[in-house]
Amino acid sequence: DTGVSQDPRHKITKRGQNVTFRCDPISEHNRLYWYRQTLGQGPEFLTYFQNEAQLEKSRLLSDRFSAERPKGSFSTLEIQRTEQGDSAMYLCASSLAGTGIYEQYFGPGTRLTVT
Amino acid sequence: GENVEQHPSTLSVQEGDSAVIKCTYSDSASNYFPWYKQELGKRPQLIIDIRSNVGEKKDQRIAVTLNKTAKHFSLHITETQPEDSAVYFCAGPDTGRRALTFGSGTRLQVQP
Repeated sequence: DTGVSQDPRHKITKRGQNVTFRCDPISEHNRLYWYRQTLGQGPEFLTYFQNEAQLEKSRLLSDRFSAERPKGSFSTLEIQRTEQGDSAMYLCASSLAGTGIYEQYFGPGTRLTVT
Repeated sequence: GENVEQHPSTLSVQEGDSAVIKCTYSDSASNYFPWYKQELGKRPQLIIDIRSNVGEKKDQRIAVTLNKTAKHFSLHITETQPEDSAVYFCAGPDTGRRALTFGSGTRLQVQP
């Protein structure tokens, strides 16, 4: 499968625990995005990378959220001290890089449930 | 930043009929408008997109039209089939023109 992949697909955690999700983009894509999707809503942009540089992070929901893409390939999204309101689908997308905006392809998502 | 509004929130059609979903946007400088289809429990799937230098784009039974003056764009699905049943999202460029701002979605149900 050469599409965007995410791991794990489902995560159940207790409030206060830390969680980390992984995203592997399409191999030739330089841009990688994280979105959050709550039930009945469209995806909400969180952050994005071009290669290893995080070019936008002001939309991360709080300082408990952080993301990395250390080698410009896969990325991780970490949520510290999880709260029940963090329960959502976390989607990763990737695209080519260049001037302007390009087609974004989504992964299957990680569904987080905080109990 | 961009604000994308989508209507209707639900749409039910008979198999074989056409379906139209409309979105409006606020930023006149926006230049890229994709449409995604999301089936229950699955990833959003890019089905068609349009850039501001054209007014219409077609791909088999799916078409998108763009009216830059009125700042709205629409998805048209002809000869609908039960497998077209899903939630459809429109989107436009977010502030910074790299990420996307999504509409609230339209749940399309095609009745056999």
